[in-house]
Amino acid sequence: DIQMTQSPSSVSASVGDRVTITCQANQDISGWLAWYQQKPGKAPKLLIYAASSLQSGVPSRFSGSGSGTDFTLTISSLQPEDVATYYCQQANSIPYSFGQGTKLEIK
Amino acid sequence: EVELVESGGGLVQPGGSLRLSCAASGFTFSDYAMSWVRQAPGKGLEWVSAITTSGGRTYYADSVRGRFTVSRDNSMNTLFLQMNSLGAGDTAVYYCAKRSCSGSSCYSFFDYWGQGALVTVSS
Repeated sequence: DIQMTQSPSSVSASVGDRVTITCQANQDISGWLAWYQQKPGKAPKLLIYAASSLQSGVPSRFSGSGSGTDFTLTISSLQPEDVATYYCQQANSIPYSFGQGTKLEIK
Repeated sequence: EVELVESGGGLVQPGGSLRLSCAASGFTFSDYAMSWVRQAPGKGLEWVSAITTSGGRTYYADSVRGRFTVSRDNSMNTLFLQMNSLGAGDTAVYYCAKRSCSGSSCYSFFDYWGQGALVTVSS
């Protein structure tokens, strides 16, 4: 099974800051990676798919990069509404697996 | 507008059974594989099960294989999860999720999620 490891587990940043979250797979998953945003009490929301494709309706300040085993989610200019927990997910093989999550807070 | 609405959650005793439903609307349900994903209280996301468009193939996480059964009724636009031999470790919010497709290509990412159904296993 593929294990996904996110870092950091939590991050605090100021409005306008650039924020980077990383996700590492324990084996090559090519570009089969997605990023989700989850706000408290809500369902996850797809932000990025296929490592770098922006889901329709998602603000352009969100971007993704990477391939193989190392991936990055970047928020170019943090906004107050971006407070949430972010998860990566590999779609390379079943069982699909998620990272443990990164909780993003505003300083 | 795509909508997924789960129902059937609740409190069940250890060893008991529960059946979740997910009513789909706003898209051609029979064209999309579907999955169940769960989230224990205060924890991360765990993929549970998936089913192909026709229901002919099903897939499970090791943690639920042999106890849970996923099925679908394309005539009713509904996804199901039958959960048997429930234990405390199954306590979670259960989400149904739609597989993402773009044009003729489909990917095992999840572009729409239901609001979730809470399953609590406790005596």
